[in-house]
Amino acid sequence: QQQVKQSPQSLIVQKGGISIINCAYENTAFDYFPWYQQFPGKGPALLIAIRPDVSEKKEGRFTISFNKSAKQFSLHIMDSQPGDSATYFCAPTGLTGNQFYFGTGTSLTVIP
Amino acid sequence: DAGVTQSPTHLIKTRGQQVTLRCSPKSGHDTVSWYQQALGQGPQFIFQYYEEEERQRGNFPDRFSGHQFPNYSSELNVNALLLGDSALYLCASSLAQPRGGQFFGPGTRLTVL
Repeated sequence: QQQVKQSPQSLIVQKGGISIINCAYENTAFDYFPWYQQFPGKGPALLIAIRPDVSEKKEGRFTISFNKSAKQFSLHIMDSQPGDSATYFCAPTGLTGNQFYFGTGTSLTVIP
Repeated sequence: DAGVTQSPTHLIKTRGQQVTLRCSPKSGHDTVSWYQQALGQGPQFIFQYYEEEERQRGNFPDRFSGHQFPNYSSELNVNALLLGDSALYLCASSLAQPRGGQFFGPGTRLTVL
């Protein structure tokens, strides 16, 4: 499944810094764009999601930016904290399908 | 309100055996999806069940089968286990309408020896 490409593969950020993770997709039928956070030994947890009728959504320290023409969306984590250290996945899905296409993941490490 | 629950937590099987994994969806959810997550990889979609029918299937062989019960709980069955089936198996529940995010359980860690 190469419909979704996520970058970077890993990211190291200082406490208080901004973490940015990107997701590029191919399928123009996608209409729901979530980000999931996964800690070791746990299932992924829905973090934040956006629909294509808006270009940005903010929830606390987490922001999604969406660029429909470029077929990209990104996750911004402001004031990154050591507790944010986890693996993050984008997983878009579309109107005609029910399958969520997961990216390969980004391992984020926030250094105290 | 209990979230998505899965059983068992861990399972060890040998090649050629069969395994059944179980999932109870989040209260109020009617759709269950199953994913396989290999170590260091993103979850791969196996199939999705809605109204006790398989609604969509990913690129997995027929050795992988499932079932959804009237109470929306679900089972994943894998026959003729291969070493490559060793992975974390995740169950996710959601609402068919309005469609939104999926909520995942903690997973079942399957090891095939």
